[in-house]
Order: sequence, then C-alpha cells, then structure tokens
Amino acid sequence: DAMVIQNPRYQVTQFGKPVTLSCSQTLNHNVMYWYQQKSSQAPKLLFHYYDKDFNNEADTPDNFQSRRPNTSFCFLDIRSPGLGDAAMYLCATSRELGVTDTQYFGPGTRLTVL
Amino acid sequence: QKEVEQNSGPLSVPEGAIASLNCTYSDRGSQSFFWYRQYSGKSPELIMFIYSNGDKEDGRFTAQLNKASHYVSLLIRDSQPSDSATYLCALHDYKLSFGAGTTVTVRA
Repeated sequence: DAMVIQNPRYQVTQFGKPVTLSCSQTLNHNVMYWYQQKSSQAPKLLFHYYDKDFNNEADTPDNFQSRRPNTSFCFLDIRSPGLGDAAMYLCATSRELGVTDTQYFGPGTRLTVL
Repeated sequence: QKEVEQNSGPLSVPEGAIASLNCTYSDRGSQSFFWYRQYSGKSPELIMFIYSNGDKEDGRFTAQLNKASHYVSLLIRDSQPSDSATYLCALHDYKLSFGAGTTVTVRA
C-alpha cells in the first residue's frame, strides 16, 4: 500500500546531542511537510519542500534543519535538542500545494530529550 | 487573534447521539477546511474536507461551511465508542493551520 513511513517511531536523545528523523513516501507526492506536535497541542508546521524547493516557516527555530535528497525521502535534523523540543514529529505529504490537496500523515516519531 | 478557534470541549455524548464540533476562522482568501481525527498517541487521519459554502456529507459525517460567518462545523451522526478521539479542524491555504482540537468521548 502507498504510504508515509517514519523512522524511528520512538527516539530518545540527550540534551544537546544531534538527532535525525526520517520520513519516506511511496505516494510520489511533490510536497513533504514536517510538523511538530507537543503534548495536548495542535500540530504546528515547521517547514515544507515543494520538490527541491525548501520553505521555512518564519517562527521555526534555527536549531531545526531539513534535507530532501530525492522525491521519496525527507529528513528532519535537530542540531542541539533542548528539553522543549520533546514532541511528536509528524511528516506529511500532498500531491500539490492546492487548497484542496489532502495532506497524508505518517505515524509520527515521538522524541524524548533527557 | 488565532487563525482557527475551535470549541475546546471536552464533549461527551451518548452512543447513537449526534456530536457537533465547531470552528471559527480568520479569513485568508482562498482556503479550504479539513477535519482530522486523532487518537491518543497516533497521527491525524483525514475525515473529510470542505471548500464550498453549504453541507458536505460522507457516511456518518457532515461538514458545514458558512463563509459569511467564518464558521465551519462537523456533525457526527450515530456516534460510536470508536469515535472517541480528538477532532482537529484545520484551515488549508497551502499549509494546515490547526485549531486546538476538541476531545470527544462517546459513552456506551
């Protein structure tokens, strides 16, 4: 089945230790998104790629970076995780950027920072 | 002012009843509205979206959009215990801007 896959599902890191989260998709969608969802809060967009074009949200901290080496894969790098970065990180894809293009979410990676 | 305001709940309804969820929004021009369901610890899953004024039905779910009032709602008919989840309203104008979510509990 076509889907959005995230690895790992659970990630534990130490304060300040870089971590990379992975997302892959078999939908062949042009757009890939990363959202951060903290406990009992709504998901918040960090950035998105349209093909190779990277688009950062204005309030996304510099500590968060992303790479998209090809259509199928997208990575979220957190350079120096702080305790406040503990959250569920959700990858989503959509075919295009149109207002009726559905975003499909992966299962998420839950990040714990010790 | 937040872009999407959602009645925070929690909302408790008996099995078989209608659950009504509401959002208001700040107009962004061209936009649509997506409803997602999120079970605890899981990722959001799409219920349906609406773009035009009026009602849109999909099975037990009906979305309603009133652009003049900046109001969007979701009705869940014949609520089942499996409908117990957090429901997220999202404005979509290239990205999803989510409301805070409404937690629904369906009592058996």
